[in-house]
Amino acid sequence: DTAVSQTPKYLVTQMGNDKSIKCEQNLGHDTMYWYKQDSKKFLKIMFSYNNKELIINETVPNRFSPKSPDKAHLNLHINSLELGDSAVYFCASSLLAGGGTDTQYFGPGTRLTVL
Amino acid sequence: AQSVTQPDIHITVSEGASLELRCNYSYGATPYLFWYVQSPGQGLQLLLKYFSGDTLVQGIKGFEAEFKRSQSSFNLRKPSVHWSDAAEYFCAVGSGYGKLTFGQGTILTVHP
Repeated sequence: DTAVSQTPKYLVTQMGNDKSIKCEQNLGHDTMYWYKQDSKKFLKIMFSYNNKELIINETVPNRFSPKSPDKAHLNLHINSLELGDSAVYFCASSLLAGGGTDTQYFGPGTRLTVL
Repeated sequence: AQSVTQPDIHITVSEGASLELRCNYSYGATPYLFWYVQSPGQGLQLLLKYFSGDTLVQGIKGFEAEFKRSQSSFNLRKPSVHWSDAAEYFCAVGSGYGKLTFGQGTILTVHP
């Protein structure tokens, strides 16, 4: 019954590897987001998709590539992982495209550790 | 550019005491304001939000927040804190462009 789910919950990997984090929402929402929460707990938006189309793309290295196969899923693929990528990544969704004015529902987070 | 400042990184209160968490925002237009709570190892849960209308908004778990335009503030309050309220609290401001900007969070510790 989880509204927004992410897998895996924890991810430990070596520098240079490629990894993916999956996100699924069963709320019927149109818009999904990826946020990065760094070690100082700052939460910053990375991407948002509305009905499988990219609508927000913040200044994020192009090693990060979101993919939305359908509006219920937004996956995050990261190439050539670096130490600075270590963080907690949160997926979220909202009913409408105006995510800044609409309630966002967050997943439990994926803690990525790059060694 | 929109921004949010939460001046208190860490607050400690005794159970049963009142609580106020501060939030100041910077935004050119009418702000959309949110308070989220994050329990350890969990995602963020919405406590309450302000879009327009009554400047005192009620949320879940007995929380309320007051929007004060003149002070650019949206402080979160609770009259009597419970041990289960210990968590990290995030204030956020949203824009119509779909962007939600968060403050750095305030960690709340509750002493028995």
